[in-house]
Amino acid sequence: GESVGLHLPTLSVQEGDNSIINCAYSNSASDYFIWYKQESGKGPQFIIDIRSNMDKRQGQRVTVLLNKTVKHLSLQIAATQPGDSAVYFCAENREAAGNKLTFGGGTRVLVKP
Amino acid sequence: NAGVTQTPKFRVLKTGQSMTLLCAQDMNHEYMYWYRQDPGMGLRLIHYSVGEGTTAKGEVPDGYNVSRLKKQNFLLGLESAAPSQTSVYFCASRRGPYQPQHFGDGTRLSIL
Repeated sequence: GESVGLHLPTLSVQEGDNSIINCAYSNSASDYFIWYKQESGKGPQFIIDIRSNMDKRQGQRVTVLLNKTVKHLSLQIAATQPGDSAVYFCAENREAAGNKLTFGGGTRVLVKP
Repeated sequence: NAGVTQTPKFRVLKTGQSMTLLCAQDMNHEYMYWYRQDPGMGLRLIHYSVGEGTTAKGEVPDGYNVSRLKKQNFLLGLESAAPSQTSVYFCASRRGPYQPQHFGDGTRLSIL
């Protein structure tokens, strides 16, 4: 069935190290992917997005990689800071499917000082 | 720029009561969405709208109704609340295709 999932439910990272959060998707028709960060008591916050015609996109301290061959998405956070501690969600969208964003279950990132 | 604003932030209801959750966005976005978030279930789409006057069902629409009478507002109604509807409800909006959804900070709803 259609699904967007994450390999690791919890990721502990030392402050200053780089973080990598992985996500697998099953629908090859997905053409737009988004990473969100959610802090406790808050709504999901947009981090970065990528369309299926790209393999890589960079933002401030974040990079998203898309491997369509193996249906894999990753979020890299450089020089992880305490403020990066949160739950991270990947989401896929198929514009032809009627604007229905499908979310993965989330990965909790804990930054150790 | 407030973005997406949800009211109320918290509410406790008794089974069978009705209520309306309000979502307002000031970004002139065409698309608006209502999700619920439950532990271990992630975000699930309830209803959505692709423009003023339009609504459509999402993944879990039963027990909910919506209206989009004005472009900036999207209302979610519970006609007869049930304990299974205890959840955190999030509203989101986006400008158009291949644009990210922007979320409010949620309404925490408990039904006793």
